[in-house]
Amino acid sequence: EPEVTQTPSHQVTQMGQEVILRCVPISNHLYFYWYRQILGQKVEFLVSFYNNEISEKSEIFDDQFSVERPDGSNFTLKIRSTKLEDSAMYFCASSEARAVGTQYFGPGTRLLVL
Amino acid sequence: RKEVEQDPGPFNVPEGATVAFNCTYSNSASQSFFWYRQDCRKEPKLLMSVYSSGNEDGRFTAQLNRASQYISLLIRDSKLSDSATYLCVVNWVSGGSYIPTFGRGTSLIVHP
Repeated sequence: EPEVTQTPSHQVTQMGQEVILRCVPISNHLYFYWYRQILGQKVEFLVSFYNNEISEKSEIFDDQFSVERPDGSNFTLKIRSTKLEDSAMYFCASSEARAVGTQYFGPGTRLLVL
Repeated sequence: RKEVEQDPGPFNVPEGATVAFNCTYSNSASQSFFWYRQDCRKEPKLLMSVYSSGNEDGRFTAQLNRASQYISLLIRDSKLSDSATYLCVVNWVSGGSYIPTFGRGTSLIVHP
């Protein structure tokens, strides 16, 4: 069964550093998403991406965040200057269609900012 | 403000029990509804979509009540493997895009 993969599985960084989280969506999917989940809290939508541009973003997705699809397979989330409160699990998801029910989630990257 | 509320639980039930979870949402313009399951430290996985007519998938039944703005999930004949957190997800449409909003989840523990 095709799956979404994410690297790294864990990332530890110092406050103020830049991090790039990587995702390989399912190959025939057209819509891509990033979510985060702070430990013990709910899953929060960050951004959706379609046709090489952001289609929707939440209020969490401020100027320190950016997304990119640098080639035909990878989908990245960059956090420019990490803060302590960015520590969370970051999930990538992809879908053939827009509706969230068809989204397949990756296993997540656990980010710890010290 | 678009909110999705769930009782966090935990619901602690014996094997074989029937258990029901509710989820309320605040925006009457919500378009679509889903239940996801999340195991500890794992990614959410789609359990089932929720339709106005109600739908069933084996031991799982989902219902939507648009008038009262809630959805429900019923699990019959609980198994140990049903132990997980159940996430309610509501989609709003904004500018042609879907905005998914997750509830905090309801924790279920099924014990022998």
